[in-house]
Amino acid sequence: SQKIEQNSEALNIQEGKTATLTCNYTNYSPAYLQWYRQDPGRGPVFLLLIRENEKEKRKERLKVTFDTTLKQSLFHITASQPADSATYLCALESSNTGKLIFGQGTTLQVKP
Amino acid sequence: ETGVTQTPRHLVMGMTNKKSLKCEQHLGHNAMYWYKQSAKKPLELMFVYNFKEQTENNSVPSRFSPECPNSSHLFLHLHTLQPEDSALYLCASSQVGTSRYNEQFFGPGTRLTVL
Repeated sequence: SQKIEQNSEALNIQEGKTATLTCNYTNYSPAYLQWYRQDPGRGPVFLLLIRENEKEKRKERLKVTFDTTLKQSLFHITASQPADSATYLCALESSNTGKLIFGQGTTLQVKP
Repeated sequence: ETGVTQTPRHLVMGMTNKKSLKCEQHLGHNAMYWYKQSAKKPLELMFVYNFKEQTENNSVPSRFSPECPNSSHLFLHLHTLQPEDSALYLCASSQVGTSRYNEQFFGPGTRLTVL
């Protein structure tokens, strides 16, 4: 069956370090993958999209990689700040339908 | 107002009540969605409307009834809910058709508690 896995354990890092979050998927061949940020009690906010033919995408301190062979995306936040503390969700398109299927998210805590 | 708005933000209801959640998008999008988010679980897609037509109903119990009167408004009518229906209900919108890259814009959600 189709599955998206994000590390369910919280990631705790020190301010200024690089945070790396992982999204693994099985039995999908997504055309693209998206990353969202969600703060407690709020709706997710779109951050980045990476297409299947792109290896890497950057936006300010954010970097996303997409390895369709490994079926994995990595999400990096460089020079992390306490304000980056949130839950980060990856999402894949399901079976060319345009519907998004979300992972359960990884909570990042950046300590000053 | 900008983006996607949802009302109410919090709702407490008994199992015999009838209530409605409202969503409005100010982005000119042509697709709207209802998601359910329970603690420690992924977002669950409930309903999809494209151009006001329901295109998806992910085996959602009939005690949840969506309504989309136009491309900017979406409702979720609730009746005889169960305590396990307590969750954060999120509305989202996107523009589909011109691009396959379905970036979705979410509202702040309605925190529903069923007693």
